[in-house]
Amino acid sequence: EAQVTQNPRYLITVTGKKLTVTCSQNMNHEYMSWYRQDPGLGLRQIYYSMNVEVTDKGDVPEGYKVSRKEKRNFPLILESPSPNQTSLYFCASSLWPDNEQFFGPGTRLTVL
Amino acid sequence: AQTVTQSQPEMSVQEAETVTLSCTYDTSESDYYLFWYKQPPSRQMILVIRQEAYKQQNATENRFSVNFQKAAKSFSLKISDSQLGDAAMYFCAYSTSGTYKYIFGTGTRLKVLA
Repeated sequence: EAQVTQNPRYLITVTGKKLTVTCSQNMNHEYMSWYRQDPGLGLRQIYYSMNVEVTDKGDVPEGYKVSRKEKRNFPLILESPSPNQTSLYFCASSLWPDNEQFFGPGTRLTVL
Repeated sequence: AQTVTQSQPEMSVQEAETVTLSCTYDTSESDYYLFWYKQPPSRQMILVIRQEAYKQQNATENRFSVNFQKAAKSFSLKISDSQLGDAAMYFCAYSTSGTYKYIFGTGTRLKVLA
């Protein structure tokens, strides 16, 4: 089944404790992206990747890191999480940015 | 900078009626793509419809159609014969091969009344 998987689905952590949210797709897509969704703000792009080893900042990259060492995986790293990073996070992939994006199920992150 | 604006935070429609959700955008690009995504209570994001800016013809998908006005930078979504399953958040989105970024609006919550 073609899909984007994210783990964990729910995470509660404390300020400053490094965490990684994994994202994997099995559709051989070139383009992958991370978004955060906050009430009243819609989805905002954090980082995106056009291919292996090629990543670039979206509109809200501060406090986040990403890597794309393999085509299928695109983890999101929070080196020192803060409460303002409490949000719902989505990973997505597509053949190219102008194509339909396929979204993962989302990760609900709470930083205390 | 490109922006996407959805000015209706919430809308309601009677079952079987028609509703139109508004979206405007700002860009200096000539080649771009516009999308409507649906997010039901399950949180799963689902593509509803996609429009290529260079195409004059408005995209349609069954009961969903768009009114794409390129000069006005407007991209509204019309849902005909509304069903209870259409109740969701709807997001308008924009992308361009110029920057590779993907930009979403703030969403419109649609309620369908039985």
